[in-house]
Amino acid sequence: DAEITQSPRHKITETGRQVTLACHQTWNHNNMFWYRQDLGHGLRLIHYSYGVHDTNKGEVSDGYSVSRSNTEDLPLTLESAASSQTSVYFCASSSGTGMGWDIQYFGAGTRLSVL
Amino acid sequence: AQTVTQSQPEMSVQEAETVTLSCTYDTSESDYYLFWYKQPPSRQMILVIRQEAYKQQNATENRFSVNFQKAAKSFSLKISDSQLGDAAMYFCAYTGANSKLTFGKGITLSVRP
Repeated sequence: DAEITQSPRHKITETGRQVTLACHQTWNHNNMFWYRQDLGHGLRLIHYSYGVHDTNKGEVSDGYSVSRSNTEDLPLTLESAASSQTSVYFCASSSGTGMGWDIQYFGAGTRLSVL
Repeated sequence: AQTVTQSQPEMSVQEAETVTLSCTYDTSESDYYLFWYKQPPSRQMILVIRQEAYKQQNATENRFSVNFQKAAKSFSLKISDSQLGDAAMYFCAYTGANSKLTFGKGITLSVRP
């Protein structure tokens, strides 16, 4: 079955370190998204991609970067981790068939703690 | 920009009873979709139900149904015959032409046995 996987599930890092969170989908979806979830804020969009070599900034993109070199993967990089980036991170994908309202499927999330 | 508002942070329901979760949104688009996602303690985001804005008929999925009031920009979720497994956080979400999801802040639903 097609799926979307995130790794690691949990990560503890130190302030200032570079961290990369992986997202891999086997749906062959064009669209991929990264969100962060914080209490009292719901899920907020960090970066998103509509296809290979396409990336766009979301609502809370400062301190994060993404790169899309193939259809399956959209890794999220924290260039210099800060305590404010302690959060749960979700990756999602959707088919992107040209309509703006296809369903997004979510990974299981990565809990990141920056100490 | 689109916004989604869930004004109730928490609700509680007795097992087997019915509960309604509220959601309002704001948009200038005429075509869009609305969703309810469930997030149990496992953290997995699970799609519960979706509604196309151009459809007047309210969506239904087994015990879950919505009350979609387009003019009022309201999109509430009704859970009938509540079960212990319904206890979770529920998020209302909007998507339009750009495929991006905008989420409300969520509501924590507890189910009393």
